[in-house]
Amino acid sequence: RKEVEQDPGPFNVPEGATVAFNCTYSNSASQSFFWYRQDCRKEPKLLMSVYSSGNEDGRFTAQLNRASQYISLLIRDSKLSDSATYLCVLNNAGNMLTFGGGTRLMVKP
Amino acid sequence: ETGVTQSPTHLIKTRGQQVTLRCSSQSGHNTVSWYQQALGQGPQFIFQYYREEENGRGNFPPRFSGLQFPNYSSELNVNALELDDSALYLCASSLGAGMLNYGYTFGSGTRLTVV
Repeated sequence: RKEVEQDPGPFNVPEGATVAFNCTYSNSASQSFFWYRQDCRKEPKLLMSVYSSGNEDGRFTAQLNRASQYISLLIRDSKLSDSATYLCVLNNAGNMLTFGGGTRLMVKP
Repeated sequence: ETGVTQSPTHLIKTRGQQVTLRCSSQSGHNTVSWYQQALGQGPQFIFQYYREEENGRGNFPPRFSGLQFPNYSSELNVNALELDDSALYLCASSLGAGMLNYGYTFGSGTRLTVV
């Protein structure tokens, strides 16, 4: 079983739609969680950290459920520019990031 | 403040050859991590360097080796290249090793193709 699992998608949604991605992880001792965004043939960039209390940044909301070991990302009012691959990332041992395989989002006009 | 820079951006090598990839860390960052990203997959941790010493290694064979220099820049060396080594190699710098929640800044990567 992979340490971090994501639905690869693609998720095809119209502009303005709300879309949600989930990610599950296997290491219950995982301490830090992040969502990264990666555009085609570019480097990953930090979208947001994920906290147990949940956190919101504009149209983006991230949630962490430690009991069920999953993380979610909700995008409201999707824009064409949101089209990208979204990577679920854990930091367990302090010195390495563990990435999921990514979920591809395509927002259509 | 300069970001993370990697060189070269693209590279084509023949199976069995050796390659060296370079990374300059972001100003003020003293830790460099290397990741391999195969097409359609998430990045996989290769190793990290902190204060010129290897500080953690992923599941990669010894033919993947690295260095960190006093100015915190780093090199990734891969010997005896195999076709499966074709990937995007990403360098990430950060401040401090083993410090959770510190931001990692990624370079734009080196795309290596082994033929």
